[in-house]
Order: sequence, then structure tokens, then C-alpha cells
Amino acid sequence: DAGVIQSPRHEVTEMGQEVTLRCKPISGHDYLFWYRQTMMRGLELLIYFNNNVPIDDSGMPEDRFSAKMPNASFSTLKIQPSEPRDSAVYFCASRSTGSGYTFGSGTRLTVV
Amino acid sequence: AQSVTQPDIHITVSEGASLELRCNYSYGATPYLFWYVQSPGQGLQLLLKYFSGDTLVQGIKGFEAEFKRSQSSFNLRKPSVHWSDAAEYFCAVGARDSSYKLIFGSGTRLLVRP
Repeated sequence: DAGVIQSPRHEVTEMGQEVTLRCKPISGHDYLFWYRQTMMRGLELLIYFNNNVPIDDSGMPEDRFSAKMPNASFSTLKIQPSEPRDSAVYFCASRSTGSGYTFGSGTRLTVV
Repeated sequence: AQSVTQPDIHITVSEGASLELRCNYSYGATPYLFWYVQSPGQGLQLLLKYFSGDTLVQGIKGFEAEFKRSQSSFNLRKPSVHWSDAAEYFCAVGARDSSYKLIFGSGTRLLVRP
């Protein structure tokens, strides 16, 4: 199994641009989580899905952030428009009932 | 609400010395408990987890952790640290509802002196 796959690994964009981060969970995992890591706030849960349905998006910071999971093998986190304070490492993780979490390698986003 | 406190931001130990990283949690019941390690520029690797049963949990890379309900603690230990253990360590609490969503502590950065 290739694990949780995130793309891109690094993204540099200009303020105001749309950014889309992608995640492919482990096959068979029915939960998918998006986390953000910053020096100031540490690891924060943004949103999680169960069976492709968003369950809790209370961690999404603003309306500029949106996440979708159109099928069991793909999720996106979109920021539109992006701002410098969105610069962070964004992690995706997946799990299934009875298993532990597997994290992706993260996407390092820099908004200039 | 769940919360996790890792009181030590940095810890420095000599190679070969023992290590204990502290973790205290707040949760309405006994939570699921985890320790993760993160090397610079890398993702999070699970070291060990506690769901139930024996309160002393063995993990990978020679790490262990002990769940102490009376102290709401889940401290991570290693008897002899190796230089390759230098990394950031995160304690996390998992909800006991069906999501098991994780709340992380702020992390402890471990430095290892040669």
C-alpha cells in the first residue's frame, strides 16, 4: 500500500490566488481528516469526512476554505482567495474503524 | 472538550541517557491516546497507542508509554536515547465516538547531545 498520498508536496502561490490541495486516502479507509500545522497554532483539525460525507467542519478557519470528497479515493482542500496567513503545512490522514491513523507527508503551502 | 498539554517545549538529553516526555490530557472519559513523532520536513509517524487494557504500552523504536488515569497522563519513555531520536514528539487524544478525531498537543522538540 502506498499510504496516504498528498499533492503537491510544495506549493508557492501569490496572495489572492486559488490553491487546491489533494489527498488520496488508503483504500478501504472510511474516515479522512485534514489538519493544518503552523508554528503558532500547532496541529489543528480543519475538517473530517466519514464515507465521503463531511461530518465536522468546525475547524475550517473561514469561508475562504472549502473541502470536498467526491469519492472514497479522493479529497480536496481549496483556499480561495489565499492569504499569507494561510501559509502552513497541510496534512491529510485516513483511518478505518479499528485501525490507526495514517498521515500523508503533507503539503507545504507558502502564500507570498 | 478534549485538550492535550505537553508542558515541555524543548528537551535536551545526552545520547544513551533515558528520556521521559510528559503529556497530560483533559477528556470526559478515558480517551484513546497516541504518541507521534515528526522529523523535520516529514509527516507524522505513529509510535504507539493506548485504547484499553494494559496501561503500559510498547511502541516502535524502543519507546513505551504509561497511561495513568489518576494523573490524566500518558508519558512517553525510552531507556536509552539514540541520536536518530532527535525530532518533535506529539501526544494526541482521540475521541471515543465513532470518529476518533485527534486533538494534538503542542509538541516537544527533542535534542540529543552526542
